[in-house]
Amino acid sequence: GAGVSQSPRYKVAKRGQDVALRCDPISGHVSLFWYQQALGQGPEFLTYFQNEAQLDKSGLPSDRFFAERPEGSVSTLKIQRTQQEDSAVYLCASSQERTPRGEQFFGPGTRLTVL
Amino acid sequence: GDSVTQMEGPVTLSEEAFLTINCTYTATGYPSLFWYVQYPGEGLQLLLKATKADDKGSNKGFEATYRKETTSFHLEKGSVQVSDSAVYFCALTPGNTPLVFGKGTRLSVIA
Repeated sequence: GAGVSQSPRYKVAKRGQDVALRCDPISGHVSLFWYQQALGQGPEFLTYFQNEAQLDKSGLPSDRFFAERPEGSVSTLKIQRTQQEDSAVYLCASSQERTPRGEQFFGPGTRLTVL
Repeated sequence: GDSVTQMEGPVTLSEEAFLTINCTYTATGYPSLFWYVQYPGEGLQLLLKATKADDKGSNKGFEATYRKETTSFHLEKGSVQVSDSAVYFCALTPGNTPLVFGKGTRLSVIA
């Protein structure tokens, strides 16, 4: 079946622009996670949903970052007034389990470059 | 806070060589431990996991044993292949909190 998909795969934004990154999880997966991966680093947690409820957003680096999953399926990560330090790969993962102990299935990521 | 430290790469090995990638962790409680792999051009995928002390996770010839006394989860493979070239990430979760990843170790296997 289809895996996790993300769009766009690549995004170039001018500093100060708003961007929206989309994640389509595996159908039926309850949990959805967003991570930020800087070049040469491991993924760092941003936020986590269980169905439509955002259970943890402690990793969001500033109030310019906002995520939603209104119907418990597709999720959007929005970054307002992008800065150069926001340049990274943004990974989405989904899991059929309700806790982070379960296997997470990752999408290919969206590479964001802020000029 | 919780953290994972893994050996820095890149690691370059000849085909059929023995592989060890070290991973140690700091965590409260009894975390679950994971190895994820990222092949070129692909997304992260789970390689193996262990959920309690002395458990051994294994998959595709790779193994890692959860050692609570040394807080380690080293990844090993007896005979690597060119197709094992990838970036390997060690990760943990204490349970109800999200995954914490190491920085990754790039492995290159040459024929």
